[in-house]
Amino acid sequence: DTGVSQDPRHKITKRGQNVTFRCDPISEHNRLYWYRQTLGQGPEFLTYFQNEAQLEKSRLLSDRFSAERPKGSFSTLEIQRTEQGDSAMYLCASTETGSLNEKLFFGSGTQLSVL
Amino acid sequence: AQKVTQAQTEISVVEKEDVTLDCVYETRDTTYYLFWYKQPPSGELVFLIRRNSFDEQNEISGRYSWNFQKSTSSFNFTITASQVVDSAVYFCALRGNYGGSQGNLIFGKGTKLSVKP
Repeated sequence: DTGVSQDPRHKITKRGQNVTFRCDPISEHNRLYWYRQTLGQGPEFLTYFQNEAQLEKSRLLSDRFSAERPKGSFSTLEIQRTEQGDSAMYLCASTETGSLNEKLFFGSGTQLSVL
Repeated sequence: AQKVTQAQTEISVVEKEDVTLDCVYETRDTTYYLFWYKQPPSGELVFLIRRNSFDEQNEISGRYSWNFQKSTSSFNFTITASQVVDSAVYFCALRGNYGGSQGNLIFGKGTKLSVKP
C-alpha cells in the first residue's frame, strides 16, 4: 500500500534562496492539498487541486509561493526568496472523489528550516 | 468565520486511565463536517473519525468514543483505558460546505496527550 509521499523530508536553506518540495499522492486520488504547520499549531490550509486545476488558495499563500500539479498526479510547492518566517512543516494530503467530507491521507511532511 | 478551539494544550495521564479531549467549534454553515486526527511523533496525521453536522449520534470504536453535541458546538473525544501508544498530538478539525472555506480543513491547535506507563 503506497501512501502519500513527500520529498525531501528535511530542507535547510539560507534566507533568499528558492526551494521546491514534491508530493506524490495516492494514485487514484484526484484531490491534493498543501498545508503548513508551525510548532505548537495545527496545520493551516494553503491550497488544493482537483486533478490539475488549482481550485482554492489561502490568503496565507503569498506571491512568493506557487504550487503546480501539471498532469494531475504529483504536485510541487515552490517558495521563492525564502524568509525565516517560512520555516515550518509543509504537509501534503490527498483524497478521492469530489466529496467534501472525504478523509484526508497525509504525508509525513517536509520540514523547512530557513537560516 | 470558522474556528476550532482545543482549550487543553497538554494532558498527561497514567496508563489505563480514561481521558477526554475537548473540542469546541464555530461555524455559520448549516451543513458541516467535524474530524479528529492523530499526529504521532513520526509526524504523519492519521484520520480517526468524520462526523456530519446532521448526525448527532455518538460513536464508539474500540477504546475510542466521540460525543457530538450541536447545542454546545462541541465534539469531544474520549480514550478509555489509555495506553502508551496513544501518546500523540490530537487535532480536531472542521470543514464547512459553503462559502470561502469550501475544500479545506480548519484545525484546532491540538492537544498533546502523554500516557505514562
